[in-house]
Amino acid sequence: GAGVSQSPSNKVTEKGKDVELRCDPISGHTALYWYRQSLGQGLEFLIYFQGNSAPDKSGLPSDRFSAERTGGSVSTLTIQRTQQEDSAVYLCASRREVVATYEQYFGPGTRLTVT
Amino acid sequence: AQSVTQLGSHVSVSEGALVLLRCNYSSSVPPYLFWYVQYPNQGLQLLLKYTSAATLVKGINGFEAEFKKSETSFHLTKPSAHMSDAAEYFCAVQDSSYKLIFGSGTRLLVRP
Repeated sequence: GAGVSQSPSNKVTEKGKDVELRCDPISGHTALYWYRQSLGQGLEFLIYFQGNSAPDKSGLPSDRFSAERTGGSVSTLTIQRTQQEDSAVYLCASRREVVATYEQYFGPGTRLTVT
Repeated sequence: AQSVTQLGSHVSVSEGALVLLRCNYSSSVPPYLFWYVQYPNQGLQLLLKYTSAATLVKGINGFEAEFKKSETSFHLTKPSAHMSDAAEYFCAVQDSSYKLIFGSGTRLLVRP
């Protein structure tokens, strides 16, 4: 079946602009994660959605970052007033259920460049 | 809190040689451990996972890893490297909230 998809694959934006990154998880997966991969920080967790529970936002680096998940499926990560340090690859992952042994499946990522 | 340390940001081997990528973890509870591979401009692909069943875990593409509690290690090995194995490899531990905590990654170079 189809894997996790993300769009756009690449995004170049000017400093100060807002951007939206989209993630389509695998159908039927109840958990959705956002991670960020950057040269200086490696792979770091941003936010996690599980079903109808309140999201775990503990990894968001500032209040310029927000995310939502509509209808338990598609998720959008929004970065307001982008800064150069936001340049990174943003990876989305989904997971079938919140069962400890289930792995996360990753999308191809969105490469964000802030000029 | 859990953490992962990957020794060696770059590992270079000859084609046909043994591949050994090191991973040590820190966890206050029995860990769930994962190895992911990332090819250029792609997302992460699961190689294998340890979920407290067998300590020797076999994965895709001929890779395997052994969980050693006494050494808090989960090293990744492959008997014979192929050129196609050149990629970046990430070890990760799952925390109590099911988030993944990643190591810094090891880039594997395979020489012809």
